[in-house]
Amino acid sequence: DVKVTQSSRYLVKRTGEKVFLECVQDMDHENMFWYRQDPGLGLRLIYFSYDVKMKEKGDIPEGYSVSREKKERFSLILESASTNQTSMYLCAIMDRKAFFGQGTRLTVV
Amino acid sequence: TQLLEQSPQFLSIQEGENLTVYCNSSSVFSSLQWYRQEPGEGPVLLVTVVTGGEVKKLKRLTFQFGDARKDSSLHITAAQPGDTGLYLCAGYQGGSEKLVFGKGMKLTVNP
Repeated sequence: DVKVTQSSRYLVKRTGEKVFLECVQDMDHENMFWYRQDPGLGLRLIYFSYDVKMKEKGDIPEGYSVSREKKERFSLILESASTNQTSMYLCAIMDRKAFFGQGTRLTVV
Repeated sequence: TQLLEQSPQFLSIQEGENLTVYCNSSSVFSSLQWYRQEPGEGPVLLVTVVTGGEVKKLKRLTFQFGDARKDSSLHITAAQPGDTGLYLCAGYQGGSEKLVFGKGMKLTVNP
């Protein structure tokens, strides 16, 4: 079974903090994605990566950056967390279908 | 504009009832997928439909892909409380590598 693991289930951070969300996969997949999910807005793509050290902006990249130094790890970075970044963050790998991590519920206070 | 429109957005029913969820688009999709997401978890793939007119069954769930590959439906027979969750449709357009998601249908099945 494919395993996608996000480092935290729940996080509470203060406004202005730098936040790292980590995602690790065990299947050697090239394609990794970060989404945020909000009520009424659905899943929105933040960033994705097709290979190591490669990144592409999704639909809502503002306020975020990513890092992919190793194939199995894709990190989402909130440079200066704001309250409007409170959300459920989902990491996924895709090979004509998506395998999601369990999600990180981030609250910015 | 949402590329994939799901309806209804919310549904609360009693155990044993039947329901149908729709996923519609004005665009053609090479395939459509259905995911189920339980509260506090990530979405999990239920099925992929590829051929126009295709029907797939997964126990009490029946999935259909429209003939023109622009829409899909999910029918649940005799719903159970364990069916509670968010049902998402998603699809690839043409040669794109990005999966497009609908906003989902939140289902609550009451015992």
